[in-house]
Amino acid sequence: GNSVTQMEGPVTLSEEAFLTINCTYTATGYPSLFWYVQYPGEGLQLLLKATKADDKGSNKGFEATYRKETTSFHLEKGSVQVSDSAVYFCALIGLGSARQLTFGSGTQLTVLP
Amino acid sequence: GAGVSQTPSNKVTEKGKYVELRCDPISGHTALYWYRQSLGQGPEFLIYFQGTGAADDSGLPNDRFFAVRPEGSVSTLKIQRTERGDSAVYLCASSPELGELFFGEGSRLTVL
Repeated sequence: GNSVTQMEGPVTLSEEAFLTINCTYTATGYPSLFWYVQYPGEGLQLLLKATKADDKGSNKGFEATYRKETTSFHLEKGSVQVSDSAVYFCALIGLGSARQLTFGSGTQLTVLP
Repeated sequence: GAGVSQTPSNKVTEKGKYVELRCDPISGHTALYWYRQSLGQGPEFLIYFQGTGAADDSGLPNDRFFAVRPEGSVSTLKIQRTERGDSAVYLCASSPELGELFFGEGSRLTVL
């Protein structure tokens, strides 16, 4: 079946530091890949997505590249801000899965001023 | 415009009781999803509606769990004979037919 393995947290960084959160996946064929973010007290929000190999999703300074050869979709940001503090979830929709998302376990990011 | 609304936001119940959790999707969204998120875990799929019908209920853990969407809008997740292991945050999401999922803030269920 489909699965997502995500870098465990929590991760604590200083403002303006470089961020990487690792994500690898197992799926049949070519899934669509997503990063969701959950800010304190809010619902999950789509951060970015990529639907085919070598696609790069980007939003709010965050980027992730769909790497088929390494089955990875690592999240990066060059300079984090305090407002980026949240829980980040990597997820996929596999082929024939009726659009159900399979999530990783989440990574708590805290950015200190 | 309103987002996905879930009620109650918090529910505390005793083992063995019956619970209903409600989801109001974004107006016009045809698809509706229920997920369950346990502490320290990512959300796990429960059931997906397209219109009034359950297109995929493969994630429901057992027959104590049931969900309905009688008019293709509001959905209710029903849990019978609750157990302590049912304690979790229950998330609802809606989407246009092939579009992005929009999540509610969830209903936190605690079974004592």
